[in-house]
Amino acid sequence: AQKITQTQPGMFVQEKEAVTLDCTYDTSDPSYGLFWYKQPSSGEMIFLIYQGSYDQQNATEGRYSLNFQKARKSANLVISASQLGDSAMYFCAMREGNTGNQFYFGTGTSLTVIP
Amino acid sequence: DTGVSQDPRHKITKRGQNVTFRCDPISEHNRLYWYRQTLGQGPEFLTYFQNEAQLEKSRLLSDRFSAERPKGSFSTLEIQRTEQGDSAMYLCASSSVTGVWTEAFFGQGTRLTVV
Repeated sequence: AQKITQTQPGMFVQEKEAVTLDCTYDTSDPSYGLFWYKQPSSGEMIFLIYQGSYDQQNATEGRYSLNFQKARKSANLVISASQLGDSAMYFCAMREGNTGNQFYFGTGTSLTVIP
Repeated sequence: DTGVSQDPRHKITKRGQNVTFRCDPISEHNRLYWYRQTLGQGPEFLTYFQNEAQLEKSRLLSDRFSAERPKGSFSTLEIQRTEQGDSAMYLCASSSVTGVWTEAFFGQGTRLTVV
């Protein structure tokens, strides 16, 4: 089974609007961390935000927030007030507590911000 | 700049040749990861070092692949007898061990093209 599933290959959003990128995960480990990365066309993976499985509150970092629904095993990324520079690939990733040695990545969502 | 550095950024090689990539992690990070990313996919785990010890290798890492991290500093990834299927972006990342859920910082990758 896929550890991370991103079902939206591509998304479009109007500049200044908010957008939600979906991510579901699969693990039996009670301790895990969830991460979102942005990959612009230059190729570098840029860390955006993370959520620990025991965190009570949803994580926020500036315009990024993570909608963590543990029972549904979802960790959706919300980008508010989209900017043209947000156009990129976005990857959801997970590390599990028992091993913690690797990050499992989804297939990504391509976000295009329309002026 | 104190980020993760990878060299070269691009490599074109003929099938059957050997190639070696270098990664210089963030200096205080003792965890180092190698990932491979093909077009339209998320990064796939290849191998992981903690200091100089290679603690985990993926099944993707065939016997043509070898990675080293002498003295726990920079790392090299060598591919022997390259095949066209090895064409991909090779990403290096590093993280610290100060927290369970510390994010990994990625370099800009080495794009390999096997012709």
